[in-house]
Order: sequence, then C-alpha cells, then structure tokens
Amino acid sequence: KQEVTQIPAALSVPEGENLVLNCSFTDSAIYNLQWFRQDPGKGLTSLLLIQSSQREQTSGRLNASLDKSSGRSTLYIAASQPGDSATYLCAPKEGNTPLVFGKGTRLSVIA
Amino acid sequence: GAVVSQHPSRVICKSGTSVKIECRSLDFQATTMFWYRQFPKQSLMLMATSNEGSKATYEQGVEKDKFLINHASLTLSTLTVTSAHPEDSSFYICSARDLGGKRTYNEQFFGPGTRLTVL
Repeated sequence: KQEVTQIPAALSVPEGENLVLNCSFTDSAIYNLQWFRQDPGKGLTSLLLIQSSQREQTSGRLNASLDKSSGRSTLYIAASQPGDSATYLCAPKEGNTPLVFGKGTRLSVIA
Repeated sequence: GAVVSQHPSRVICKSGTSVKIECRSLDFQATTMFWYRQFPKQSLMLMATSNEGSKATYEQGVEKDKFLINHASLTLSTLTVTSAHPEDSSFYICSARDLGGKRTYNEQFFGPGTRLTVL
C-alpha cells in the first residue's frame, strides 16, 4: 500500500525566501504525481501535475521535480509571499487507483 | 480544468439525524467519484470509491451502512451520513475522475468540501 511522507510538517519563513518542500512515497510504480494547496477550511487547489515520464514541471514561481526511481518529489517555491501560506499536499497516483495523500506541509510566510 | 461542486458547503445537525451531501461534475462525465474525509490538521483519508451504476467500494474501517453512497448518474454522487454522531463531524471532500478528457485523462478533480458539524 502506498505511503506518502512529507517533510517538514510545518515551515515558517520570512517573505522573499526560496523554499523547498519534500515528498517521498514508498511505491515508485506511479502514473503521475500532483501537488495541491489547501487553505484552512477549504478544498484542494491543484498546483502541478507531473507525469511519470517527466522530471520537472513549472508554473510561475512553483517548480516541482520528480525522481520516480527513488520515490521522491520536491516542490520549490521561489520568492515566497504571505499569500503562499497554506498547507501543501503531494499525492502520487498509481494507475486507476485513487490519489493517496501525505499529511502535508503547513507553510507560513511572514511579511 | 474540470469543475466539481459540492452541496451543501456547511451543515450543522443534531445527533441522530441523517445528512446528505451532493457531489457534481459540472463540465465532464465522471464514471468514478471518490469520497474523502479530513479531520483537523490531518490528511485526506479515502472513504470509498463510487462507480456509476454499481455499488461503492469502501475502504477498510469505513461502515458502509453508516455512509451510504449513491452514484446514479455520470455527473452526480451522493454521500448520506446516517444517524450522525459528534464523532462524524469532519470535512468531507469528493473527487471526480475524467476518463473522457484528452487533456485531463485520469486526473482527479476535487470539490470544495462540506463541513459537517454534529451537535
């Protein structure tokens, strides 16, 4: 059964810093991997989806990398802003099975 | 991306009552929908997989008689929490998968969630 671990569990940084969120998963036979953002009390917002054949995916200040063989993905956030404060979740996908989530990283960007 | 809606967004009910939550895919057909539950500061935990026209598949530890799932059409799945109790208070999120879209094949799209509070 797929298990997802996200490190760190919580992170507080001053505005403007670049930061890296880490995700590891136990079963590397994945179809793709998604990074989501969740604001308190809200649903999920999809940030990036990386196919298993890709190594990177970029959207604005966000860059996600995938090392499928080692079961790792990172989300890089450049020039962080207070509006980036949220919980970030990664979810690897295996075939037609539903997404499995880590516990997330709670990010706080302080102005 | 595809849009998934949930209704209601928030519900407060008395212990012992039943609550129905609707999940709709608005611009695509979803043969499969998923129901997740999230407790405060915890991750999303899959409760069940709902397939159009057939019985739902429940995850281990989820009571199928308590959490009734109906997926009667390609755009609608409902979750009914029967005889709700305070421990059922949680954030319920549905997700739908688009198997027909060329750009979004096999991608899961999430609803905004329903906050259930049982008094």
